[in-house]
Amino acid sequence: GQNIDQPTEMTATEGAIVQINCTYQTSGFNGLFWYQQHAGEAPTFLSYNVLDGLEEKGRFSSFLSRSKGYSYLLLKELQMKDSASYLCAVTDSNYQLIWGAGTKLIIKP
Amino acid sequence: DTAVSQTPKYLVTQMGNDKSIKCEQNLGHDTMYWYKQDSKKFLKIMFSYNNKELIINETVPNRFSPKSPDKAHLNLHINSLELGDSAVYFCASSLAGGGINTDTQYFGPGTRLTVL
Repeated sequence: GQNIDQPTEMTATEGAIVQINCTYQTSGFNGLFWYQQHAGEAPTFLSYNVLDGLEEKGRFSSFLSRSKGYSYLLLKELQMKDSASYLCAVTDSNYQLIWGAGTKLIIKP
Repeated sequence: DTAVSQTPKYLVTQMGNDKSIKCEQNLGHDTMYWYKQDSKKFLKIMFSYNNKELIINETVPNRFSPKSPDKAHLNLHINSLELGDSAVYFCASSLAGGGINTDTQYFGPGTRLTVL
């Protein structure tokens, strides 16, 4: 079956760095997305990786290793507003988008 | 504003009733989706339409019937509502056609459905 694994919850301190991991087992691969979802709101796009390596976008970076079926989202200089759930999603060989259950990130002052 | 909009934002109803949720996107996208997010926050695809045609129909009870009058609208009608239908329903759209999920999906604000 197809599977996306992420930690259920993580806690970090304001100003620090946190890495949220995502491992996937899917039938083929056509890209990996990270979305952010604040409580009670809609998911919003953060990043898309289809080639191996690190994509940096301001305080957020996303890394992909296709051979390991692994990605991480790195958040630097954490702010209280970064408290949210972070969803990993993978497009498989049939171009179906498979969603992870999300990681709830709690930022403490 | 260009966006994905859905109405209503909150819907409280009795078991057995029939209700509809409307979704509209003015982004010029070809593909639209309906998702269900339950209390455990897991986002599950229900339907995907490309240019008014059904692309994806996951294992969803046939009480749920999507309708796409044009490519900018995808409405969701639910018959004989059950307690287990209580969830947040998100509409989304993406640029790509043919259900090619390599484009960013833009989500509507969600409709919180509560069935009593």
